[in-house]
Amino acid sequence: GAVVSQHPSRVICKSGTSVKIECRSLDFQATTMFWYRQFPKKSLMLMATSNEGSKATYEQGVEKDKFLINHASLTLSTLTVTSAHPEDSSFYICSAPRAGDEQFFGPGTRLTVL
Amino acid sequence: GQSLEQPSEVTAVEGAIVQINCTYQTSGFYGLSWYQQHDGGAPTFLSYNALDGLEETGRFSSFLSRSDSYGYLLLQELQMKDSASYFCAVKGGATNKLIFGTGTLLAVQP
Repeated sequence: GAVVSQHPSRVICKSGTSVKIECRSLDFQATTMFWYRQFPKKSLMLMATSNEGSKATYEQGVEKDKFLINHASLTLSTLTVTSAHPEDSSFYICSAPRAGDEQFFGPGTRLTVL
Repeated sequence: GQSLEQPSEVTAVEGAIVQINCTYQTSGFYGLSWYQQHDGGAPTFLSYNALDGLEETGRFSSFLSRSDSYGYLLLQELQMKDSASYFCAVKGGATNKLIFGTGTLLAVQP
């Protein structure tokens, strides 16, 4: 089946620093990828749609200047959490739909901001 | 807006059958999906209903009633490994983005 990878799987950083998370589709091309955030024991909340070759589309209430998304190629999308604060600590998951098929999720990145 | 409501927790014993309900309110409807997520892991796809009726995939079945804006996931012959969170989700339009339900934590006991 299709595989989506994320890197890093876990990151701990100091407050005020920026963290970049990569999402790659390993065996198919994805013109669109999605970024979700999940707090402990909560549901997945869609943050934004990453579009290859154009700007990301952010969901209501998500700060686009804080969560920078770049879809550099048909297999790579990156999410940068800028000036991270403890309240940004969460589980970040990306997904990519294969044409006419279900969505495939990455294994997630656990971000802890001290 | 869109919302999908599920029971927060369900407990059952091994070998039993459990039903997890999902009621939704959406501005458009493109089908109802079900995902399983073990603690700390990624969601994995279980089932999808675009039309009314029952879809069966092994021990898991999913049902949809579009007129009632309601669906459920049925898990049969429960096993300990089925202990996980289960989410219903709808596509948020033609872009394929998924809007997830509130999630149900299933605990399977011996």
